[in-house]
Amino acid sequence: DAGVIQSPRHEVTEMGQEVTLRCKPISGHDYLFWYRQTMMRGLELLIYFNNNVPIDDSGMPEDRFSAKMPNASFSTLKIQPSEPRDSAVYFCASSWLPGTTDTQYFGPGTRLTVL
Amino acid sequence: AQKVTQAQTEISVVEKEDVTLDCVYETRDTTYYLFWYKQPPSGELVFLIRRNSFDEQNEISGRYSWNFQKSTSSFNFTITASQVVDSAVYFCALRPTSGTYKYIFGTGTRLKVLA
Repeated sequence: DAGVIQSPRHEVTEMGQEVTLRCKPISGHDYLFWYRQTMMRGLELLIYFNNNVPIDDSGMPEDRFSAKMPNASFSTLKIQPSEPRDSAVYFCASSWLPGTTDTQYFGPGTRLTVL
Repeated sequence: AQKVTQAQTEISVVEKEDVTLDCVYETRDTTYYLFWYKQPPSGELVFLIRRNSFDEQNEISGRYSWNFQKSTSSFNFTITASQVVDSAVYFCALRPTSGTYKYIFGTGTRLKVLA
């Protein structure tokens, strides 16, 4: 079975440019999560969706960040304009939450470098 | 407060030694879930185990074992006869059942297994 798919795996961009990260969750999962990992702050939850609807975006750092989930098999995280402090690894995870089967499965991550 | 503490920042062992990674959590919830994830040098986050708060039975999977003790709010992870391939960062996570659906991650323990 395919796991969570993220693209691109690596992204290098210049400050001020728009960056779009993509995620395809595991088929049948109805929760999707975006995380950011840095050395200084560890793993931070940015936003999560349930049935394509954003439920909690309190972790989104500022208005430069936006996330969408137009359908059950695709989500994007956009940064516009990007800044060097956005450099991090961005993970997408998905899960299915009936009863006790709650487990988040993570994608391979996108390593973003903003110059 | 909801919190996960992994006090060991880095541990180094020689191959074939046993090693225990500590995880202490705080939550007011009576029902919650605990997880361990492995992040090898390649960067992905790999799910290892989920434990429900009402199930204090310890678990063994090959060389891995987990000791869950509600009395001390700990969920420790032991690797028996460590191998170089066990070298990774290991994260403990808590998911309370109150509030929104979030994982609270510890800061991780970097395990180095030397040949």
